[in-house]
Parts: sequence; C-alpha cells; structure tokens
Amino acid sequence: ETGVTQSPTHLIKTRGQQVTLRCSSQSGHNTVSWYQQALGQGPQFIFQYYREEENGRGNFPPRFSGLQFPNYSSELNVNALELDDSALYLCASSLAGGAFHEQYFGPGTRLTVT
Amino acid sequence: GNSVTQMEGPVTLSEEAFLTINCTYTATGYPSLFWYVQYPGEGLQLLLKATKADDKGSNKGFEATYRKETTSFHLEKGSVQVSDSAVYFCALRREYGNKLVFGAGTILRVKS
Repeated sequence: ETGVTQSPTHLIKTRGQQVTLRCSSQSGHNTVSWYQQALGQGPQFIFQYYREEENGRGNFPPRFSGLQFPNYSSELNVNALELDDSALYLCASSLAGGAFHEQYFGPGTRLTVT
Repeated sequence: GNSVTQMEGPVTLSEEAFLTINCTYTATGYPSLFWYVQYPGEGLQLLLKATKADDKGSNKGFEATYRKETTSFHLEKGSVQVSDSAVYFCALRREYGNKLVFGAGTILRVKS
C-alpha cells in the first residue's frame, strides 16, 4: 500500500509569484485535506476536497485554491505569494464518511517565499 | 470557536522518566480528540484518539483520557525512550466536522 506522497519536497519562490503543490493520496482514499504549518505552530486547515469538489474551507483568502482529480490526487495553488506564505504545506488523505476516518499525512512541501 | 491549548515546550526528560504533556480544548458539543506525533523530516502520524467522554486512547505505551468536565486530554507515558523525541500535537475534530484543529505542538527531547 502506497502512502501519501507530496511534491516537490522544497521550493523557493519570490513574492508575487504563483506556486502549485501536488499530493497523491493513499490508495483507496477519496478525500484530501490541505494544511499550512508555519514554523513553530500547529497545522492550520486550508480546505478539503471530496470527489473533486471543495468540501469545507478554513480561514484562507481566495488566492489559495485547489483541485482534485478523478484519481483523487490533488493540487494546491497559491497566487500572489506573500512572505507569510512561507510554511510547510501538508496534505492528508482519508475516506469520507460519517464516522471519523484517520487522516494520513504526507511528509509535506516546504515553501520559502523571499 | 474551537481551539486547542498545549503546554509549551521544549520538554526535556531523561530516558525512563514519566511524561505528561497537558492539552485543554474549547469546543461546542462533543468533539473527538487526538494526539499526533511528528518526527523530524516526516509528516504527522496519529498516535491515539478518543471519540467520547471518559474514553481512553492508548498506543505504544502512550495514553490519554478524554475528560469533558475539565475539557482536557493530557498525554502520558510511564517510561520515555530516546526514540520518543519528536513534536507532539493535540487536536480536535468537532462533531460532524471535517477538519482537524491543532494545538501549537510540544517539542519533547529525551536524553540518554
């Protein structure tokens, strides 16, 4: 069973640029959640995708957007990057359903905005 | 709103010492509670969970009891090892919610 993978591992961008981060969910999982973890802080929920539709969003501006593909992989796009966007971005996959299904986290993408 | 407060770290212990990491929460209704661990360079791993009051979650020698009267979910381990050195996050998921709300994390350092 393949776990959650994310790419790239690290990247450096300049303020004002755009970035796309990628996540492959664990086999059999149909839900992907994205979190932002600033240095020294806990992860903050950005949004969740279920069956290619956004299924809940945290307190992040519209320049944070996402996609989920038919194979349940996902992208996080951030436009007009700001210095405060520097963080570890975590993707987590799970099964949807009424009972809680464990969210399996990937290793993250470290984004640095200069 | 929903929030989680953890004791600040770093917590530094000698091997075989007793560990407690405090966690309290604010939430309406009956949230589920979790402890996640993050080893250096890795993603988060679920350590244990409890879904209703008085439930005790346990895994790998770690335990935590869901105390609704004190809105707490403190993490304990009777004898820590060097390999337990990591960052520990307390988190909640509100009833019928789809997102996890995390505390700021507590760094644990265990020295031999």
